[in-house]
Amino acid sequence: EPEVTQTPSHQVTQMGQEVILRCVPISNHLYFYWYRQILGQKVEFLVSFYNNEISEKSEIFDDQFSVERPDGSNFTLKIRSTKLEDSAMYFCASQFDGTDTQYFGPGTRLTVL
Amino acid sequence: QKEVEQNSGPLSVPEGAIASLNCTYSDRGSQSFFWYRQYSGKSPELIMFIYSNGDKEDGRFTAQLNKASQYVSLLIRDSQPSDSATYLCAVKWRSGKSTFGDGTTLTVKP
Repeated sequence: EPEVTQTPSHQVTQMGQEVILRCVPISNHLYFYWYRQILGQKVEFLVSFYNNEISEKSEIFDDQFSVERPDGSNFTLKIRSTKLEDSAMYFCASQFDGTDTQYFGPGTRLTVL
Repeated sequence: QKEVEQNSGPLSVPEGAIASLNCTYSDRGSQSFFWYRQYSGKSPELIMFIYSNGDKEDGRFTAQLNKASQYVSLLIRDSQPSDSATYLCAVKWRSGKSTFGDGTTLTVKP
């Protein structure tokens, strides 16, 4: 069964460094999402992406964040200058056109020191 | 007011019992409603979604939606220890954004 994959599974970085989290959505899915979950807290929407542009973003998704679909398969989340409070699990999700069902990847645990 | 609110847990039920999980939402262009299960350290796993008022059944799970009262619930029949997890209610708005509740932790005791 097709699934969303994410790399790396765990990323450790120093505060102020740039990180890129990678996702490979399910092929033929057209909608892509990033969520984060700080340890012990709820899942929070960051951004949705469709047709090569951002369709919706939350207040969390400020200028430090960007998303890109550099090729036909990858979907990336870049954090330009990481802060301690960016430490969280980051989940990618994808969705087929015409449905509302999102399929989540396994997540990347980001630790900012 | 929170956009999506779940009944505070934790919830503990004996094996074989019915577990009832509730969620209320603020009506700001809500579109569809989802229940996810999340095990510790893992990603959310979709259990059910519901769009229309009424009940929707899938095996041991029944989702109930009442748009007039702005609540959605999940019933788990014949609860098993393997059902022990955190259950997340999520609302997808017409804008495309999704909002999750804080989650309710369910423990099913053998």
